[in-house]
Amino acid sequence: DVKVTQSSRYLVKRTGEKVFLECVQDMDHENMFWYRQDPGLGLRLIYFSYDVKMKEKGDIPEGYSVSREKKERFSLILESASTNQTSMYLCASSLEGLPNTEAFFGQGTRLTVV
Amino acid sequence: KQEVTQIPAALSVPEGENLVLNCSFTDSAIYNLQWFRQDPGKGLTSLLLIQSSQREQTSGRLNASLDKSSGRSTLYIAASQPGDSATYLCAVRPADFGNEKLTFGTGTRLTIIP
Repeated sequence: DVKVTQSSRYLVKRTGEKVFLECVQDMDHENMFWYRQDPGLGLRLIYFSYDVKMKEKGDIPEGYSVSREKKERFSLILESASTNQTSMYLCASSLEGLPNTEAFFGQGTRLTVV
Repeated sequence: KQEVTQIPAALSVPEGENLVLNCSFTDSAIYNLQWFRQDPGKGLTSLLLIQSSQREQTSGRLNASLDKSSGRSTLYIAASQPGDSATYLCAVRPADFGNEKLTFGTGTRLTIIP
């Protein structure tokens, strides 16, 4: 079974802190994604990576950065956390290019910024 | 820009009934469509993926259909059970080469009444 693991289920951070959310997948997938999910807004893509050290901005990249130094690991960084970044964060991975390739998600990280 | 809509936002049905969840999308140039389930506070679990060349996919009591030309997909759940209570999301992947990003609907929250 594909496994996508996010480092924390719950996090509470203070405004202005630098926050790291870590995601690891064990199926050698090329693609990795970070989404945030908010009530009424659904899932919105923050950043996407299609290879090591490669990244693309999604729909809402402001206030975030990412790092992909190894194929299996994709980190989301909040440079200076703000209360409007309180949300559920979801990491996903998928194989590149095939029409039958599914996206697999981690268990989510509920981040609260106080 | 692709838009994905799921109506209704919430649905309650008695246990044992068959039910249909709807997903519509505005751009028919898709690679595939995926249905997910999300339990409260958790990540997404992949249920079914339909490639653009397919009309149906089945897994147990679940059957998903795709009518690409009309921009619609349905998820049919037979003989519903209380354990089916969750939010169901659909997501489409665009057909343009190299674009691996999914667009999600905002989901249908399903409650099965015992």
